[in-house]
Amino acid sequence: GAVVSQHPSWVICKSGTSVKIECRSLDFQATTMFWYRQFPKQSLMLMATSNEGSKATYEQGVEKDKFLINHASLTLSTLTVTSAHPEDSSFYICSASRPANYGYTFGSGTRLTVV
Amino acid sequence: AQSVTQLGSHVSVSEGALVLLRCNYSSSVPPYLFWYVQYPNQGLQLLLKYTSAATLVKGINGFEAEFKKSETSFHLTKPSAHMSDAAEYFCAVRSNTGNQFYFGTGTSLTVIP
Repeated sequence: GAVVSQHPSWVICKSGTSVKIECRSLDFQATTMFWYRQFPKQSLMLMATSNEGSKATYEQGVEKDKFLINHASLTLSTLTVTSAHPEDSSFYICSASRPANYGYTFGSGTRLTVV
Repeated sequence: AQSVTQLGSHVSVSEGALVLLRCNYSSSVPPYLFWYVQYPNQGLQLLLKYTSAATLVKGINGFEAEFKKSETSFHLTKPSAHMSDAAEYFCAVRSNTGNQFYFGTGTSLTVIP
């Protein structure tokens, strides 16, 4: 149990376009989902916390208008990278929390390459 | 505030040798501690977690970790390394009052045949 599906696993897009990444909890309801960014050979940096039905909470330094997060249901959160640029190229990972669960389940990640 | 420090960004061991990956935490309240493994271009997989129960925690794939409050440590060990253990390992801490995880910088484990 506690499976999180992230899609797509990789995407290449042109500079200036937008890309949407989906994170779904398949067998549980996730009240809170988290979006992380990971640069090569580095750790995960939390970008934002999204709660179902409310606005996401962004970490300091993360542009809200560039990284749009929607958590419209208890099983789906989306991250949209708007007007992507090459410096947005990174590995994006989501995770979901389950009520009364100490651990969090991570998605398989999305490799974004902006050319 | 919570944080974790992973000593050694790269660790190499011979196949069959002991694996020891170090993690020290800083927390103002009793923390929850985790070890995750990440294979190339994949997400994170939970190895084990400490949630204030037994101080010696056994996880998947033969890994275990011991919570030592006096040393503020949560080192990950495995008696005998296997080639398939080669991956990136992350230690993480979370307070028992919040939702946010704080990850260490990771340790890359290489297993030499």
